[in-house]
Amino acid sequence: TAGITQAPTSQILAAGRSMTLRCTQDMRHNAMYWYRQDLGLGLRLIHYSNTAGTTGKGEVPDGYSVSRANTDDFPLTLASAVPSQTSVYFCASSVGQGTGELFFGEGSRLTVL
Amino acid sequence: EDQVTQSPEALRLQEGESSSLNCSYTVSGLRGLFWYRQDPGKGPEFLFTLYSAGEEKEKERLKATLTKKESFLHITAPKPEDSATYLCAVSSSNTGKLIFGQGTTLQVKP
Repeated sequence: TAGITQAPTSQILAAGRSMTLRCTQDMRHNAMYWYRQDLGLGLRLIHYSNTAGTTGKGEVPDGYSVSRANTDDFPLTLASAVPSQTSVYFCASSVGQGTGELFFGEGSRLTVL
Repeated sequence: EDQVTQSPEALRLQEGESSSLNCSYTVSGLRGLFWYRQDPGKGPEFLFTLYSAGEEKEKERLKATLTKKESFLHITAPKPEDSATYLCAVSSSNTGKLIFGQGTTLQVKP
């Protein structure tokens, strides 16, 4: 099975432009998450969704928005990218909220110039 | 404030040389402690869940243990394919969200 599919794999973006990172899961998991991973800072939670139709803010939500229209898809949007949003972004899912067993995608490497 | 600290940041071992990775944590009500493995250019892969002090979990050459303040990931007779970054995370009963440490990058040389 594919598990978590993220797109694009990598992207270079001009500052001020908008960008949507796509995430799709085929495991019918209720909870989904977006993390960013930066050298020296580890994985930090941006936004999460405990179930379709609901979303919540994580540790570093500013400049990002998410939606959860259905169980499978959880896109992350940068409305106006800034260089500090240069990072590797990981989408993850879990069977339910509160479980620490997350399934991660392969990541999307974003460079904002 | 909930916090996770991993040490060392990097560890180089010879094949067959056993060692341990440390994960120290402070959390308001531990719901669980989790270990992940991350290969370069890949997403983290779940390894273990530990719920209470004294609990141990094993998988091949890896054994994870838990006390009230820290967890250890013991690697017995490592092989080059064990080279990866190992991440520790905790979930607090207050927030239910995972807090990750910065990881230990392990390199095992043949």
